[in-house]
Amino acid sequence: NAGVTQTPKFQVLKTGQSMTLQCAQDMNHEYMSWYRQDPGMGLRLIHYSVGAGITDQGEVPNGYNVSRSTTEDFPLRLLSAAPSQTSVYFCASSYSTKGVNTEAFFGQGTRLTVV
Amino acid sequence: AQSVSQHNHHVILSEAASLELGCNYSYGGTVNLFWYVQYPGQHLQLLLKYFSGDPLVKGIKGFEAEFIKSKFSFNLRKPSVQWSDTAEYFCAVKGNNRLAFGKGNQVVVIP
Repeated sequence: NAGVTQTPKFQVLKTGQSMTLQCAQDMNHEYMSWYRQDPGMGLRLIHYSVGAGITDQGEVPNGYNVSRSTTEDFPLRLLSAAPSQTSVYFCASSYSTKGVNTEAFFGQGTRLTVV
Repeated sequence: AQSVSQHNHHVILSEAASLELGCNYSYGGTVNLFWYVQYPGQHLQLLLKYFSGDPLVKGIKGFEAEFIKSKFSFNLRKPSVQWSDTAEYFCAVKGNNRLAFGKGNQVVVIP
């Protein structure tokens, strides 16, 4: 299993550009989520999904869109990039067994710089 | 939504010293509790987890944590740290399908 795969690893955008961060998992996990990590702020939840076709907003959703058309993929779209979106983005997936949600598995991260 | 508090954001200690990192959360329902570690330049890795049962949980690399329900706490401990434990440590709480993180503890172990 590859686990959780994020692409690209690094990206530089100009203010106003749009782009999609890709996330794929091959573990058949129902739950997928996107976080941003900023110094001193920990990880903040952007959007999450509990299954294909179902998404919901997290703590900091503004400026980001998601969709979940398949179990495997959960792309994060930046509609119009702003310098405040400069961050490291992590995708995570987790599974449920006997009704208990278990730990999240993380991708390697995408370091995004908006200039 | 739940919230997670971690204290003493920066911790500096010498090898062989003991480490304790505090974690408190606020959430009224059933929670799952985690500690993750992030080594420099890497992604998050699970140290240990608590779902139910024995409130004292043992994880990898000699770490353990104790869940005290009455105090809404899940503190992380290691009796004797090594230089390789230099990393950032995050407490996380999952409730109602949302996994929330604390702001992290930056731990530096001096050889």
